Amino acid sequence: DAKTTQPNSMESNEEEPVHLPCNHSTISGTDYIHWYRQLPSQGPEYVIHGLTSNVNNRMASLAIAEDRKSSTLILHRATLRDAAVYYCIPRTSGTYKYIFGTGTRLKVLA
Amino acid sequence: NAGVTQTPKFRILKIGQSMTLQCTQDMNHNYMYWYRQDPGMGLKLIYYSVGAGITDKGEVPNGYNVSRSTTEDFPLRLELAAPSQTSVYFCASSYTLQDGRPKNIQYFGAGTRLSVL
Repeated sequence: DAKTTQPNSMESNEEEPVHLPCNHSTISGTDYIHWYRQLPSQGPEYVIHGLTSNVNNRMASLAIAEDRKSSTLILHRATLRDAAVYYCIPRTSGTYKYIFGTGTRLKVLA
Repeated sequence: NAGVTQTPKFRILKIGQSMTLQCTQDMNHNYMYWYRQDPGMGLKLIYYSVGAGITDKGEVPNGYNVSRSTTEDFPLRLELAAPSQTSVYFCASSYTLQDGRPKNIQYFGAGTRLSVL
């Protein structure tokens, strides 16, 4: 299983962009990169995932390095409701297994 | 559409007691999962199921049992509660692609907070 390294915590001002980095240097060629977030006292929720190219959805963008050893989750305009722990999870396509690390705790300042 | 529903939300057990954590989903998902989350840590997989009648162990199965008699329900049983099982428990589900592999996205319940004293 690929190991990930994420900053323990980050801060952002409200309505500013946030770039959450993740290093996954041992990722294999078939591992998708997933991002989930966990709001206080809730279960994790899916944010976005990708394999090689950059991905966008209504919640965020995912920028994947060309060598796939790192990725960055981009929240374009942080809101107070985005304060959560963000998990970067490499996962082999078609398997059940998620390995959750400790994630990055994002604090959004008003 | 309720999604994944877990009951109870909170429970305090005495050492040696047993209990069942309930999980039900109304999305007709084949795959279901149980995780535990200790304070300040990420989630760890306890058990999972690929469909009714089929279950398998995850990373930390000791002290737990599961069953899957229907597509909707996936209860987790603690037989002899120990303080080390104090944790927050999350149930999740995901649907399968046409070839039977799990889709990449898991949907989580709100969790059951369990204390064993």
